[in-house]
Amino acid sequence: AQSVTQLDSQVPVFEEAPVELRCNYSSSVSVYLFWYVQYPNQGLQLLLKYLSGSTLVKGINGFEAEFNKSQTSFHLRKPSVHISDTAEYFCAVSELTGGGNKLTFGTGTQLKVEL
Amino acid sequence: KAGVTQTPRYLIKTRGQQVTLSCSPISGHRSVSWYQQTPGQGLQFLFEYFSETQRNKGNFPGRFSGRQFSNSRSEMNVSTLELGDSALYLCASRYGQGSNEKLFFGSGTQLSVL
Repeated sequence: AQSVTQLDSQVPVFEEAPVELRCNYSSSVSVYLFWYVQYPNQGLQLLLKYLSGSTLVKGINGFEAEFNKSQTSFHLRKPSVHISDTAEYFCAVSELTGGGNKLTFGTGTQLKVEL
Repeated sequence: KAGVTQTPRYLIKTRGQQVTLSCSPISGHRSVSWYQQTPGQGLQFLFEYFSETQRNKGNFPGRFSGRQFSNSRSEMNVSTLELGDSALYLCASRYGQGSNEKLFFGSGTQLSVL
C-alpha cells in the first residue's frame, strides 16, 4: 500500500521569501508523484507532476519539485512567494498498477504568505 | 469547455438520512473519481468509475455507493448518514491514460450532517 506524509501542517512565510513544502512517500512499486493546490472554496488544481526522466519538475506559478528516490521525497519549492500563493497544498502518489486511477493524498500543508 | 460540475454546492442533512451527490465530468471524459476531504483525514479516495463500471474502490463502508450513467455523469450516494460523514466531497474527471493522463477536479459538495 502506498502512503504520503506531509510533515508540516502549516507553513508561514513572508512575501518574496523562498519556501519549501515537504513530502515523503512510501510505496512498494513505481509511482507517479503530484502536487496539487487548493484555494479557498475551490477544488484541486494540478501544480506539477513527476512521471519519469528528469528529477526536477517545473510547474505552474513558478513552483518546482525535486524527486529524490533514495530519500523517497518530492519536496515542493518556490524561490519567491507571492501573497496569492496562500492556499493549501497537497502531495499525492499514484501507483503504476495498470488501469484505473487512485490517488493517495497527504494531509495537506497550509501555506500562509504574509506581508 | 465547461469544467467539472458538482451539485449541489452545499447540503445539510440529519443523521440517518440518505444523500445523493451529482458530478458531471468534462465533456469527453469517461472516468470519474470521488474523494472525501475532511480536516483531520485529508483527501481519501472513495471510488472510480469508467464507462459505467466501478474500477477502483477505497476503504469506505458499504453505506457509500456510486454509479455512472451512459453520458459519464456520476452520482454518489451515502445512506444512513453519520456525523462523521460531514465533509467536502470532490469529484474528478480524467482525460488520457498513463503519462498523458490529467485529473480535473470540481469545486466539491460541502455536506454537513447534523
